[in-house]
Amino acid sequence: GENVEQHPSTLSVQEGDSAVIKCTYSDSASNYFPWYKQELGKGPQLIIDIRSNVGGKKDQRIAVTLNKTAKHFSLHITETQPEDSAVYFCAASKYRGQLTFGSGTQLTVLP
Amino acid sequence: DAGVIQSPRHEVTEMGQEVTLRCKPISGHDYLFWYRQTMMRGLELLIYFNNNVPIDDSGMPEDRFSAKMPNASFSTLKIQPSEPRDSAVYFCASSRDNYEQYFGPGTRLTVT
Repeated sequence: GENVEQHPSTLSVQEGDSAVIKCTYSDSASNYFPWYKQELGKGPQLIIDIRSNVGGKKDQRIAVTLNKTAKHFSLHITETQPEDSAVYFCAASKYRGQLTFGSGTQLTVLP
Repeated sequence: DAGVIQSPRHEVTEMGQEVTLRCKPISGHDYLFWYRQTMMRGLELLIYFNNNVPIDDSGMPEDRFSAKMPNASFSTLKIQPSEPRDSAVYFCASSRDNYEQYFGPGTRLTVT
């Protein structure tokens, strides 16, 4: 089955700096790649997603890039703010509905 | 929209007892998913439904787990009998098109 690896497991950045989280997937047939943000005591919240027919997508301070050849995708957060502190999960899907999640990245934005 | 609603938010029970978790998906969403989150195994898909019909239950860990969706606005996940290793946070999510999934706040289950 699909395997998704996520790095780093923890990331600390200064407020205003950029943060990058990377994921690799194993199944070249995967075609949907969402990113979720999970705050303490809450459910994962979808923040951005990308489908395999595009190489990148941006929404304000958040962007995602996809390299299908290398089978990796990345989340980029610019101008980080303390409220960006959370656990971020990447996921991949080959079949609609069947998301395989990465292990998560604890992002801490230092004021 | 109220989002996905789950109840209870916290459940503490003794080993051997039956546990029932409940979920109300977002209105108009035809897909419903049950996930389990633990430190060791991360987020795992247990089962998902489309139009109230179970499509894939390959993630259900064993026969002690069962899920139903009697109508478009309600689903249950039942564990009988419960065991300490079932302790986890259980999430329900729903989707309109089976791509974007929206998660509920979760039920934290502790089995002693």
